[in-house]
Amino acid sequence: AQSVSQHNHHVILSEAASLELGCNYSYGGTVNLFWYVQYPGQHLQLLLKYFSGDPLVKGIKGFEAEFIKSKFSFNLRKPSVQWSDTAEYFCAVKRALTGGGNKLTFGTGTQLKVEL
Amino acid sequence: KAGVTQTPRYLIKTRGQQVTLSCSPISGHRSVSWYQQTPGQGLQFLFEYFSETQRNKGNFPGRFSGRQFSNSRSEMNVSTLELGDSALYLCASSLPAGGPSTGELFFGEGSRLTVL
Repeated sequence: AQSVSQHNHHVILSEAASLELGCNYSYGGTVNLFWYVQYPGQHLQLLLKYFSGDPLVKGIKGFEAEFIKSKFSFNLRKPSVQWSDTAEYFCAVKRALTGGGNKLTFGTGTQLKVEL
Repeated sequence: KAGVTQTPRYLIKTRGQQVTLSCSPISGHRSVSWYQQTPGQGLQFLFEYFSETQRNKGNFPGRFSGRQFSNSRSEMNVSTLELGDSALYLCASSLPAGGPSTGELFFGEGSRLTVL
């Protein structure tokens, strides 16, 4: 069975600091990769996704993620965080199977706190 | 466009009881997934329904069941509740997998179940 690891459970940064959240998955086949975000008091929402092509994908609010196939990684980055980026971030993987539905495997999440 | 609606938002049950949770997807979305969210475990996939058929199932005991109706609304049921079933149960709707929206889940705010 596939699994997703997010090594940082809690991250505290000051505003303007750079962010990198790690995500590794275990599945040898073709995958679709996602980052979801849950802001305080809000529901989970998609931040960005990777299907194929350029391994560097850009999402909303200045976030980007890089897919490194050889490392089974899909790390999330932002050059300069803002207080409003305080949220919980989830990495997710979907096996790219025809007819496979939308079953996503999520990591355990990283709680990011940005201090003023 | 209305989002995903889950009812009830909060409920308290005692061990041994059963519970039914309801989910109304975004209009036009025929795929509905359910996830259990607990601290430290992240989101665990329960099941996915598409056109009233269960498409995928997670590794949960048979006490957890679900169904989808012809209007795409979905319910999940947990029988013989245990303390460990206390969690936030999230419903997500989506367009069918296979297109550019593959894996893009739209989550509701969840139903928080407490088992005493």
